[in-house]
Amino acid sequence: EAQVTQNPRYLITVTGKKLTVTCSQNMNHEYMSWYRQDPGLGLRQIYYSMNVEVTDKGDVPEGYKVSRKEKRNFPLILESPSPNQTSLYFCASSFGGDTQYFGPGTRLTVL
Amino acid sequence: DAKTTQPPSMDCAEGRAANLPCNHSTISGNEYVYWYRQIHSQGPQYIIHGLKNNETNEMASLIITEDRKSSTLILPHATLRDTAVYYCIVRPNLYTGANSKLTFGKGITLSVRP
Repeated sequence: EAQVTQNPRYLITVTGKKLTVTCSQNMNHEYMSWYRQDPGLGLRQIYYSMNVEVTDKGDVPEGYKVSRKEKRNFPLILESPSPNQTSLYFCASSFGGDTQYFGPGTRLTVL
Repeated sequence: DAKTTQPPSMDCAEGRAANLPCNHSTISGNEYVYWYRQIHSQGPQYIIHGLKNNETNEMASLIITEDRKSSTLILPHATLRDTAVYYCIVRPNLYTGANSKLTFGKGITLSVRP
């Protein structure tokens, strides 16, 4: 089954404790992206990647890092999480950025 | 991306067709109309897209007016599981990294009643 998976689905952590949210797709898509969704602010892009080893900032990259060492994986790294990064996170993939397929979401709470 | 306007909410009875309107009067010639939906706190789900011809897939039909200034998403037999926020987006069909992001407006909340 074609899908985008994210792990973990729920995470409660404390300020400053490094964490990684994994994203994997099995559709051989070149394009992958991370979004966060907050009430009243809609979906905002954090980082995107057009292919392996090619990443770029979206609208709200501060406090986040990404890597794209393999085509299928695009992890989101929070080196020192803060409470303002409490949010619902979605990973998405597509062939070229047009029709995007989203993962189930990761609900992160930073205390 | 061109701006879209959708009513905030609508409802329909289970088993009936749901017709969701969208206005996009400033759409330009290279922009497609896309529809996504988001069931409460789940990942957004692609439904359908089109340029100027009507489109149909296993989920829905998309009717675009001849002047392309508005469109209607049709769910032919709505079920309770179709209750969601539906987003109409217009986007160009040529993507560079910078314009690859999806920007959702407020969307229309569809409530399907038993």
